[in-house]
Amino acid sequence: QQQVKQSPQSLIVQKGGISIINCAYENTAFDYFPWYQQFPGKGPALLIAIRPDVSEKKEGRFTISFNKSAKQFSLHIMDSQPGDSATYFCAASSYNTDKLIFGTGTRLQVFP
Amino acid sequence: EPEVTQTPSHQVTQMGQEVILRCVPISNHLYFYWYRQILGQKVEFLVSFYNNEISEKSEIFDDQFSVERPDGSNFTLKIRSTKLEDSAMYFCASSGYSQETQYFGPGTRLLVL
Repeated sequence: QQQVKQSPQSLIVQKGGISIINCAYENTAFDYFPWYQQFPGKGPALLIAIRPDVSEKKEGRFTISFNKSAKQFSLHIMDSQPGDSATYFCAASSYNTDKLIFGTGTRLQVFP
Repeated sequence: EPEVTQTPSHQVTQMGQEVILRCVPISNHLYFYWYRQILGQKVEFLVSFYNNEISEKSEIFDDQFSVERPDGSNFTLKIRSTKLEDSAMYFCASSGYSQETQYFGPGTRLLVL
């Protein structure tokens, strides 16, 4: 119930392509869904986040799509760049806790 | 831009020894967290701390672990008697408000031999 399932485990995309990473959850109490980007040797950094009152949020090349009925959310990276090569984690937390439950991570490689 | 800092960046210790990992959260933040990441695995919550007390802890955070905010700027994680399985990257995070963005530090890589 507390898990967040993330796929794929790794992703290789050509420069300019679209990267799509998917996450699914079971706990209907989750109400905050951030995506974190992590470069090797660094801490996770917040990329974009969404709450379930909207179905989509866009910030620059990054978009979260949220499907409340399916309990799924995804990160789309448009016009992927080599500098986007990193590990991406989805996460979730519920209204009565601050702890973030992280997905297992997706290693994205963008080739020129 | 304000950031969370952590020291040391790397620590090697012998099994059974005590270690203290230090963090300086962002200055006006009120909520503090420790997470850990075993190599190649996902980031796992350990503990959250607010108003000078633990607000939540995970099953991982057993009696060997403790947290403290000894002064107005530092936030520490102590592991009393380290085990091999404590080897991981430990991240400190802080946020200004409950359920708002958590800002992570660069981590301390702990290796227990």
